Amino acid sequence: DTGVSQDPRHKITKRGQNVTFRCDPISEHNRLYWYRQTLGQGPEFLTYFQNEAQLEKSRLLSDRFSAERPKGSFSTLEIQRTEQGDSAMYLCASRPGIERGHTDTQYFGPGTRLTVL
Amino acid sequence: KNQVEQSPQSLIILEGKNCTLQCNYTVSPFSNLRWYKQDTGRGPVSLTIMTFSENTKSNGRYTATLDADTKQSSLHITASQLSDSASYICVVSGNNNDMRFGAGTRLTVKP
Repeated sequence: DTGVSQDPRHKITKRGQNVTFRCDPISEHNRLYWYRQTLGQGPEFLTYFQNEAQLEKSRLLSDRFSAERPKGSFSTLEIQRTEQGDSAMYLCASRPGIERGHTDTQYFGPGTRLTVL
Repeated sequence: KNQVEQSPQSLIILEGKNCTLQCNYTVSPFSNLRWYKQDTGRGPVSLTIMTFSENTKSNGRYTATLDADTKQSSLHITASQLSDSASYICVVSGNNNDMRFGAGTRLTVKP
């Protein structure tokens, strides 16, 4: 499967615990995005990377959230001291860079469903 | 206020029937508009993309229209199938590639 993959698919945790999600983008896609989606809503942008550089962060990304893409390939999203309001689907997407002349189609992974008890 | 508004919020139709979903946006300047299909528990999958100069685009039984003057788009589904049950999300990009997502329309196709 050469699509975007995310791990785990589901995570249940207790309030106050830390969680980490992983995203593996499509090979050679140098842009990687993280979104949060709550029930009945569209995805909300959290942050994006071009290669290993984190270029933009939403104000939704509080100081409890941190994302990394150390080698410009896979990325991790960590949430510290989780709160019940963090319960959501966390989606990762990737796309080729604009400089290659591709359209800006983002390819989404299946998401990680987080439930904070 | 969301810059991309979709209607209806949810829709139930019988298998074989047609339906039309609406998307109104205020994003400006405008670069392109996409419709995504999102199955329950899955990530969104792109159906169509239209730029300013395009006013219709088809992908099988899905046909999207765009009126850039009135900033409206529609997604028409013909001869619906049970597998069309999903959320349909309208996404509008500005010139800086900032993507604005609508809340989606939840479509249920019943046998």
